[in-house]
Amino acid sequence: AQSVTQPDIHITVSEGASLELRCNYSYGATPYLFWYVQSPGQGLQLLLKYFSGDTLVQGIKGFEAEFKRSQSSFNLRKPSVHWSDAAEYFCALKNTGFQKLVFGTGTRLLVSP
Amino acid sequence: ETGVTQSPTHLIKTRGQQVTLRCSSQSGHNTVSWYQQALGQGPQFIFQYYREEENGRGNFPPRFSGLQFPNYSSELNVNALELDDSALYLCASSTAGTVNTGELFFGEGSRLTVL
Repeated sequence: AQSVTQPDIHITVSEGASLELRCNYSYGATPYLFWYVQSPGQGLQLLLKYFSGDTLVQGIKGFEAEFKRSQSSFNLRKPSVHWSDAAEYFCALKNTGFQKLVFGTGTRLLVSP
Repeated sequence: ETGVTQSPTHLIKTRGQQVTLRCSSQSGHNTVSWYQQALGQGPQFIFQYYREEENGRGNFPPRFSGLQFPNYSSELNVNALELDDSALYLCASSTAGTVNTGELFFGEGSRLTVL
C-alpha cells in the first residue's frame, strides 16, 4: 500500500536558520512526489514537485527538495527561514495509475524571532 | 490566488442532517477532486469528477456523493451526518494534463462542524 510518513509533527526554527522537513514514502515504484504548504485560512499551495530526472528540485519561495530513492525520502529544505514561512507543510505522493494524492499528516513549522 | 472558490466557508450541522458543499473550479479546469481534512490530519481523497462523471473514489461510504456540472463546478453532498464528519473539506481543480501529474489547485475549504 502506498503511504507517506512525516515523522515530525512540529518543528521550531529561528528566523534566518536553515530548515529541513522530513518525508518518507512507501510505494512499489517511483511515485510522483509533492510538497504543499497550508497557511492559516488558506488552501493548499504547491511548493514543488518531482516526477523524474534531476533528484534535486527547486520550488517557489526559495524551497528545494531532494529525492533519495535508496532512503525512500523526499525532504524539503530552505537555507534561511522567514517568519512568513510559518505554516503547515504536507508531503504527498501520486502513483502513475490513479488520480488521487496521498498525503502525510503534515509538519507544523513555527518560526521564532 | 488559486481561482478555486468554495462555499460556505463555515457551517454547523447536527447529527443526521444533510449538507451540500459547493466548489467553482479555476477557469479552464475540467477536473474536480474533493478531500476531507480532519483536525491534525492530512487531506484524504474522497472522489474526483471529470466531464460530469465520477472518476475515482477513496475509502468513503456511499452517503458521500457528488456532482459535477457542465460548467465544471461541483457539489459534495453528505447524508446522515456523523460527528466524525467534522472536518475541513477541500476542493481541488485541475486540467486533464495536470491531473495526470498530480498538480492540483486547492480552494480554501469549507469547515463543517457536526454537533
